[in-house]
Amino acid sequence: QKEVEQDPGPLSVPEGAIVSLNCTYSNSAFQYFMWYRQYSRKGPELLMYTYSSGNKEDGRFTAQVDKSSKYISLFIRDSQPSDSATYLCAMTLGNYGQNFVFGPGTRLSVLP
Amino acid sequence: DTEVTQTPKHLVMGMTNKKSLKCEQHMGHRAMYWYKQKAKKPPELMFVYSYEKLSINESVPSRFSPECPNSSLLNLHLHALQPEDSALYLCASSQGGLGDYGYTFGSGTRLTVV
Repeated sequence: QKEVEQDPGPLSVPEGAIVSLNCTYSNSAFQYFMWYRQYSRKGPELLMYTYSSGNKEDGRFTAQVDKSSKYISLFIRDSQPSDSATYLCAMTLGNYGQNFVFGPGTRLSVLP
Repeated sequence: DTEVTQTPKHLVMGMTNKKSLKCEQHMGHRAMYWYKQKAKKPPELMFVYSYEKLSINESVPSRFSPECPNSSLLNLHLHALQPEDSALYLCASSQGGLGDYGYTFGSGTRLTVV
């Protein structure tokens, strides 16, 4: 079993749809959870960052962490063509990048 | 300045060449990282510098040699690379740990080894 698994893509949705992206993980010691967006030929860009369980909202983006289920989600409301990118979940035990692990990524296409 | 700047953006080198990748940030971040990313794969951690000292080396071959001359600069020296080392090399930084903003990544150097 991989340490972090992510729903396979690619995922295509119409503009305006609600998008749900998910990751599961096996190491219950992970404490910090992140979602990154990566456009083609660019570095990953941090979208959301949460510590431990709970929800966090930022504009059209909502991140959820359920540590009891070892499951994290990113919701995108009113999706736009500009949201088309690869979305990577990431998590770590603590500071300085120890055991900082990315999920394999989900490629999202939002069609106008 | 909220960016991590990487140069060059593209690099083609022969297997006998010596080259260096450079990374710079002026956000006062005290941890800096090198990642390697192959096509359609997530980034893989190579090295972590914390307060200008190498704190993590993820069993990277010695043909990759990192250097942190000061708190704003990070270099990756390349020597005798193999074609399979062709990839996107990403630099990242963080405040001291993850802080409130996670990591900030540069746009990467796309390396091709011929």
